[in-house]
Amino acid sequence: DTAVSQTPKYLVTQMGNDKSIKCEQNLGHDTMYWYKQDSKKFLKIMFSYNNKELIINETVPNRFSPKSPDKAHLNLHINSLELGDSAVYFCASSQTRAGELFFGEGSRLTVL
Amino acid sequence: KQEVTQIPAALSVPEGENLVLNCSFTDSAIYNLQWFRQDPGKGLTSLLLIQSSQREQTSGRLNASLDKSSGRSTLYIAASQPGDSATYLCAVPPNTGNQFYFGTGTSLTVIP
Repeated sequence: DTAVSQTPKYLVTQMGNDKSIKCEQNLGHDTMYWYKQDSKKFLKIMFSYNNKELIINETVPNRFSPKSPDKAHLNLHINSLELGDSAVYFCASSQTRAGELFFGEGSRLTVL
Repeated sequence: KQEVTQIPAALSVPEGENLVLNCSFTDSAIYNLQWFRQDPGKGLTSLLLIQSSQREQTSGRLNASLDKSSGRSTLYIAASQPGDSATYLCAVPPNTGNQFYFGTGTSLTVIP
């Protein structure tokens, strides 16, 4: 069983569209994250979600919104996609805010 | 603000060599330090987690050490194999907030 799974793995879409990426973890962790990895492979935190506390990093455009139906899921919804949104998006989870991080396989988003 | 750096950025070694990857951090007040590997097109795989109270952690051919006072961690890989070729990243969790601090990574190539 994959610990942190995200779908889809690849997503190609047109500018202006709205898309979602789903993430599920079966580790029983309390904290989930979304990271963006740019072309230089630098990992940037977008959101974390812990016990219904959402922390949004200030540089994230409000076109990005996380949705958590329950503790095991944290989905990423993106409105009005732009070319600069093209990147690999990683979901991750940890038991606590400073606990061991486990990552999903990534979702490669390409905006045309 | 915590800063994490990794040197070298890239390393190429012949198969069978022992090698050391370096990770430096500026704020020694860390809870733990985690080492990951990332294969091309894949997510980050957790290799080792060293708690702040530990000095070493071992898993198979991998040995990670931690010296908080000097702000350094090393990942030692014994008897390197072509399958070890990947990018290796270190990360430390936040003392406040949600931002894990990642190094820029070392890209390792093991030549058969």
